[in-house]
Amino acid sequence: RKEVEQDPGPFNVPEGATVAFNCTYSNSASQSFFWYRQDCRKEPKLLMSVYSSGNEDGRFTAQLNRASQYISLLIRDSKLSDSATYLCVVNGGSSNTGKLIFGQGTTLQVKP
Amino acid sequence: EAQVTQNPRYLITVTGKKLTVTCSQNMNHEYMSWYRQDPGLGLRQIYYSMNVEVTDKGDVPEGYKVSRKEKRNFPLILESPSPNQTSLYFCASSLSGWGFLDSPLHFGNGTRLTVT
Repeated sequence: RKEVEQDPGPFNVPEGATVAFNCTYSNSASQSFFWYRQDCRKEPKLLMSVYSSGNEDGRFTAQLNRASQYISLLIRDSKLSDSATYLCVVNGGSSNTGKLIFGQGTTLQVKP
Repeated sequence: EAQVTQNPRYLITVTGKKLTVTCSQNMNHEYMSWYRQDPGLGLRQIYYSMNVEVTDKGDVPEGYKVSRKEKRNFPLILESPSPNQTSLYFCASSLSGWGFLDSPLHFGNGTRLTVT
């Protein structure tokens, strides 16, 4: 089993749609969780950190479920500019400080 | 401007010819790391450094070396490159490697390496 797993997609959605991505992780000791965005083989950029209580940033909402070991990202009112690959990132846990594990990414295509 | 700078952006080389990819950051970050990205495999960590003179293996360290003699630089060395090291490489830095929640990763622009 991969340490961090994502559905690679692609997810093809019309503008204005709501889309949700899930990501599962295997190390129960992981403490830090993030969503990064990557455009067409450019460098990844932080979209948002994921806090235990869940957090929202505009149209984006991230949730953490420790019991089931998954995190989610919800995008409301999708824009064409949201088309990108979304990377789930998890730290390696207290015994692996400094290690960050990336999922393979979920590709989103927003169509007009 | 705060940034992570990698050089070169593109490199084509032959098997066995030693090469170095440089990485430099101007943000006084303690933590630096190297990743490679391959289709279907995502980003995989090669080596990371929590601070000067401290380096640790990531998930795929074989065939690579690093050094951290000063805070700003973290070069990636391929002593004898092979075709399976053809990949897109990213260097990244963070204020701290302890948790990352308050100190997200900043990535360089990437180095596309081809080994023939």
